[in-house]
Amino acid sequence: AQSVAQPEDQVNVAEGNPLTVKCTYSVSGNPYLFWYVQYPNRGLQFLLKYITGDNLVKGSYGFEAEFNKSQTSFHLKKPSALVSDSALYFCAVGGGLTGGGNKLTFGTGTQLKVEL
Amino acid sequence: DGGITQSPKYLFRKEGQNVTLSCEQNLNHDAMYWYRQDPGQGLRLIYYSQIVNDFQKGDIAEGYSVSREKKESFPLTVTSAQKNPTAFYLCASSIRGGSYNEQFFGPGTRLTVL
Repeated sequence: AQSVAQPEDQVNVAEGNPLTVKCTYSVSGNPYLFWYVQYPNRGLQFLLKYITGDNLVKGSYGFEAEFNKSQTSFHLKKPSALVSDSALYFCAVGGGLTGGGNKLTFGTGTQLKVEL
Repeated sequence: DGGITQSPKYLFRKEGQNVTLSCEQNLNHDAMYWYRQDPGQGLRLIYYSQIVNDFQKGDIAEGYSVSREKKESFPLTVTSAQKNPTAFYLCASSIRGGSYNEQFFGPGTRLTVL
């Protein structure tokens, strides 16, 4: 079975500082990894994904994530946080030896709060 | 949210009633999904469909039913057998099935049981 852990329920950061939202995963075989963002009472928006290739993936709104196979991690990063980045962030994993059954497994989410 | 619509935005149900949530997409995507979101639990997959007239159970299918008669539409019925249906329901689609394809989400329907 595949699983995702987002160890922090909330991350607080000052505007202009770098931010990191952590994600670790478990899957048999090669993972497909995703980050999504959700604003209040809205659906999820796709930020970026790792399927194969370069371990550093760049996505929307200046976000990037680094795939680390040895640590089974896929942390989301941004060099300079904005107040408008405040939202709920979800990591998700698919793939694996059986392709994950075409399903994504989502983490429980991390609330990011960027303050002035 | 572009290309995927869900209706209604808010839905209230009395105990013992079945209700149907609508999901429509104009992205020409083959695959569609239904998720349930509860606070602190992330998203859990209810049903998914990779092609018209075919669908599979997800992790929490009990008390729910779906149909996929048209490529654009994937309605979800919450039946009276679902014991705790109050939640935020999200529909998504992807160009094809396969977990390597990113999913695009609708704006959601918030269901409350009175």
